[in-house]
Amino acid sequence: AAGVIQSPRHLIKEKRETATLKCYPIPRHDTVYWYQQGPGQDPQFLISFYEKMQSDKGSIPDRFSAQQFSDYHSELNMSSLELGDSALYFCASSSVISGNTIYFGEGSWLTVV
Amino acid sequence: EDQVTQSPEALRLQEGESSSLNCSYTVSGLRGLFWYRQDPGKGPEFLFTLYSAGEEKEKERLKATLTKKESFLHITAPKPEDSATYLCAVQDATGNQFYFGTGTSLTVIP
Repeated sequence: AAGVIQSPRHLIKEKRETATLKCYPIPRHDTVYWYQQGPGQDPQFLISFYEKMQSDKGSIPDRFSAQQFSDYHSELNMSSLELGDSALYFCASSSVISGNTIYFGEGSWLTVV
Repeated sequence: EDQVTQSPEALRLQEGESSSLNCSYTVSGLRGLFWYRQDPGKGPEFLFTLYSAGEEKEKERLKATLTKKESFLHITAPKPEDSATYLCAVQDATGNQFYFGTGTSLTVIP
């Protein structure tokens, strides 16, 4: 079965640079979530989209923005990167047909040096 | 304030030694409680969804139960390959957010 696809899997950026992460949800899933997970921490909710509209916002810094496109893929844009942004970024998707269970991608490792 | 607390933080078991992991929650209107398994550097892998008190679900050596205040993940006769972090998450009535606990790191020793 198709899963949530994230790219790139690994990314190294310097401080103050910009990074873009991409997420392709499971086909026919209408909701996308972004999470940030630091070492040894639980996933922290950043932002979610339902039917291409932002549905909820968590602890997402103002330097970050995200959107969901017409084909339901989503991108997380991170600017003015800081060392503390180094983390594993997960995308997840869900839909009513999946019982609202969220399924996670394998994550994108961002390292800021 | 919605909260999810998991205990213990870490658990070491001998192979074959059964035990339970706890997830306590306070949420304004529970839509669902989810259990995930996470291996280091990988995305959380979905295990179970529980929707109402009294519900139970099983998969191989794992069994999840739900009450109005907490959920248990029972591990029967664990094997070393069950070693992972087990995350509990609750979805509130709005359905917009999932609140994660900090996880239980399980190590099963051969």
